[in-house]
Amino acid sequence: DAGVIQSPRHEVTEMGQEVTLRCKPISGHDYLFWYRQTMMRGLELLIYFNNNVPIDDSGMPEDRFSAKMPNASFSTLKIQPSEPRDSAVYFCASSFPNQPQHFGDGTRLSIL
Amino acid sequence: EDQVTQSPEALRLQEGESSSLNCSYTVSGLRGLFWYRQDPGKGPEFLFTLYSAGEEKEKERLKATLTKKESFLHITAPKPEDSATYLCAVQAMGGANNLFFGTGTRLTVIP
Repeated sequence: DAGVIQSPRHEVTEMGQEVTLRCKPISGHDYLFWYRQTMMRGLELLIYFNNNVPIDDSGMPEDRFSAKMPNASFSTLKIQPSEPRDSAVYFCASSFPNQPQHFGDGTRLSIL
Repeated sequence: EDQVTQSPEALRLQEGESSSLNCSYTVSGLRGLFWYRQDPGKGPEFLFTLYSAGEEKEKERLKATLTKKESFLHITAPKPEDSATYLCAVQAMGGANNLFFGTGTRLTVIP
C-alpha cells in the first residue's frame, strides 16, 4: 500500500522566494497533519485538517505560512516569503480518527 | 500545558546490552501515548500505542510500558539495526487528534 507521499524531498532556495511543499495522504484517512522538525525544537505541529477543513492552525509560526487542502488526496504548505530560519524538515502525516498517524519521509528545506 | 520529556537524549549500547528509554509526560487527560522510531532521512514510523496505566505492548526486542506519569521503552538484547531515534508522543482527551512529541532519544547499538 502507498504511504504518505511528500514532494519535493529536498528544496534549496534563496531567501524571499516562495516555497510550496506537497503532500498526498493515505487514501481514506480523515486527518492530515503538517509538522516541522528541527534539532532544537524537535517535531512541532503546524496545522491539521479534518475532512479537508483546517481545524487548528495555532502552530503556524507567522502569516508567511499558509496551508490548503483542496481535496481529500492533496495538501500544500506554502511559505512566502521564505527566510533562513524556516530551514527545517517538514513532515506530513495522515490518520483515521484516534488512530496512529502515518508519516511521509519529509521535505528537507534549506533557505539560503 | 502538555509536556513530554524524554531521557536520555542519547544512548550508546553494546550489542546485546539491554536498557530502557524514558518518556515522562504531563497532559490534561491522556487519550493515548505513542512510540515512534525514526531513521535518518525518514519520517517517524509507528511502533506502539498505550492507553491506560499498567498496559504493556511488545514487538520483537521492544516492550513499551505505561504508568500515570511516564512510559518506558525497554530494549532487550539490542542489535545494530535497532539504532535509531525513538520518539514519544501524547494525545490528550477532548476531541483533538493531534500529537505532542518529545525530542527523542538517539540510540546507537555498537556491534
